[in-house]
Amino acid sequence: GESVGLHLPTLSVQEGDNSIINCAYSNSASDYFIWYKQESGKGPQFIIDIRSNMDKRQGQRVTVLLNKTVKHLSLQIAATQPGDSAVYFCAESRMDSSYKLIFGSGTRLLVRP
Amino acid sequence: GAVVSQHPSWVICKSGTSVKIECRSLDFQATTMFWYRQFPKQSLMLMATSNEGSKATYEQGVEKDKFLINHASLTLSTLTVTSAHPEDSSFYICSATVQGAIDEQFFGPGTRLTVL
Repeated sequence: GESVGLHLPTLSVQEGDNSIINCAYSNSASDYFIWYKQESGKGPQFIIDIRSNMDKRQGQRVTVLLNKTVKHLSLQIAATQPGDSAVYFCAESRMDSSYKLIFGSGTRLLVRP
Repeated sequence: GAVVSQHPSWVICKSGTSVKIECRSLDFQATTMFWYRQFPKQSLMLMATSNEGSKATYEQGVEKDKFLINHASLTLSTLTVTSAHPEDSSFYICSATVQGAIDEQFFGPGTRLTVL
């Protein structure tokens, strides 16, 4: 069956350091990928997305890298701040499934002050 | 823009009762709305996809007679958990897409359901 992501790990980083959160996806037909941030008791918040015709996309303090060869997605957060502490989910979708999202299992990011 | 709200934000009910959760797109018309369920420390699992004026499409393993979805207008979808039981306790989240941009989903804040 389809699956996205790894078992839920926890990443602990020092404030100011860079964070890298990884995600694996299994469906090579997926053509659109999104990273979400979810704080406790809240809905997912869009961070950044990337389409399959790209391998890198940058936003403010965040960068997403896509490696289609090994079906791997990563989220890099520069100068991590305490407000970045949350659970991060990758999600995959594809146009021929009406962009239904398949979420990965998530990574908890803890930022140490 | 593109704000999605849910009501209620939390609800506690007795086993056997039915609970209705509303999902509204506040400042846009939603072509499609999605309903997700999230158990503690787990990921979001898609339950169903609903389009205005048509029957919802349920994911495999989701009981359509237990989770009734009504999408009566372009700004409102409702999820009714019928005869709720403790195992239905979960965080229910909806999302909506804007007409012409179906790849981007805007998420609501979620509804915490606790069934006693």
